[in-house]
Amino acid sequence: EVQVVESGGSVVRPGGSLRLSCAASGFTFDNYGMNWVRQVPGKGLEWVSGIKWNGGSPDYADSVQGRFTISRDNGKNSLYLQMNSLRVEDSALYYCARVGGGGYYYGLDVWGQGTTVIVSS
Amino acid sequence: IVLTQSPGTLSLSPGERATLSCRASQGVDSGYLAWYQQKPGQAPRLLIYNAASRAPGIPDRFSGGMSGTDFTLSISRLEPEDFAVYYCQQYASSPRTFGQGTKVELK
Repeated sequence: EVQVVESGGSVVRPGGSLRLSCAASGFTFDNYGMNWVRQVPGKGLEWVSGIKWNGGSPDYADSVQGRFTISRDNGKNSLYLQMNSLRVEDSALYYCARVGGGGYYYGLDVWGQGTTVIVSS
Repeated sequence: IVLTQSPGTLSLSPGERATLSCRASQGVDSGYLAWYQQKPGQAPRLLIYNAASRAPGIPDRFSGGMSGTDFTLSISRLEPEDFAVYYCQQYASSPRTFGQGTKVELK
């Protein structure tokens, strides 16, 4: 079964750090770009970050640029999001999602169930 | 690129046709726009990619269109399982923005 499973969400204080992980299975991980998308409960989707199959061209939303770092380990079929200098407004459900089609210009065709990050004092 | 979806809410009955709009603030190269469906407590599901191509397994009552910077998602005959929130997303340029969503609710 093709799936991605997020982990690492937690409660953290403002200014703190957290690393999210996404474990992929059922497909050839290093053939696909990957993204992180977040959603505040009851609100819309916000694209956070993306990375190509080979780890190249990481890009970020303006709201997280300079604070978050996306990376991947193709040997471990895993995607990561290092989150530093966390703010209250970073609190959300974070989804890991696969860029479909085997390229980088395609919709997000496989989603996990998300991991929850709460930033609170 | 800012994506503006309209209407915010669409109240319809099963069997009716739904037409959702997504307007981009500038051109979306190569029509790199997708539509997703999200139901409460679930992750989004990809419906349409490249403006008009249905994702595998998506029923043919869902169709996408493009005219300049205006994109549409049409559902020809609403089924009970189609009542949900729908989002558009462009992936032509970074950041890969989403629209704010359109809720299709039961009238």
